[in-house]
Amino acid sequence: EIVLTQSPGTLSLSPGERATLSCRASQTFSNNYLAWYQQKQGQAPSLLIYGASNRATGIPDRFSGSGSGTDFTLTITRLEPEDFAVYYCQQYDESPWTFGQGTKVEIK
Amino acid sequence: EVQLLESGGGLVQPGGSLRLSCAASGFTFSAYTMSWVRQAPGKGLEWVSAITGSGDTTYHADSLKGRFTISRDNSENKLYLQMSSLRAEDTAVYYCTRDLLYYDRGGHGKWGQGSLVTVSS
Repeated sequence: EIVLTQSPGTLSLSPGERATLSCRASQTFSNNYLAWYQQKQGQAPSLLIYGASNRATGIPDRFSGSGSGTDFTLTITRLEPEDFAVYYCQQYDESPWTFGQGTKVEIK
Repeated sequence: EVQLLESGGGLVQPGGSLRLSCAASGFTFSAYTMSWVRQAPGKGLEWVSAITGSGDTTYHADSLKGRFTISRDNSENKLYLQMSSLRAEDTAVYYCTRDLLYYDRGGHGKWGQGSLVTVSS
């Protein structure tokens, strides 16, 4: 099973600042099948990034994904008030399709 | 508009069984891989199971094999999760999801609102 480790656990930032979230895999992926999700309190998650770097439809360009192999990053260039949430990475390359434990982006 | 509507959740005793359903609409159901993802109260996301569009291939979390079974009825546009030998640690909101892409894997592009399963005596 591929284990995904997200860091940091919590990121305290102010609106307008840049957020950098990390997701490290326990082994290399074959196809870069890595996704990022955002979950706001009381809501279902929503897909932000798929294939490590492709934005899903309607996702603002302040969100970007990068990385390959075992190290992946989600960057939010300028935090908007609605971006404060929990973010999860997930690999869907190899079954079981595992999630990271999440990074909470909170208002400083 | 894509809609995924889960049903069948509720309170069940330890050792009991439950079947979740997900009614899908707004897209060609048989073309997409469908999945179940769960979230225990206050915890992170846990992928449970997936099934290809034709239904001929299924995938399960290792920890749940033998207790949970995913299936689908493409004539009814419905996804199911049969859960047996339920334990307290299975208490969670269960989400039905649709893959983003029909021609390749693209992650969980669409989510239902979730169905709460509580395992307790």
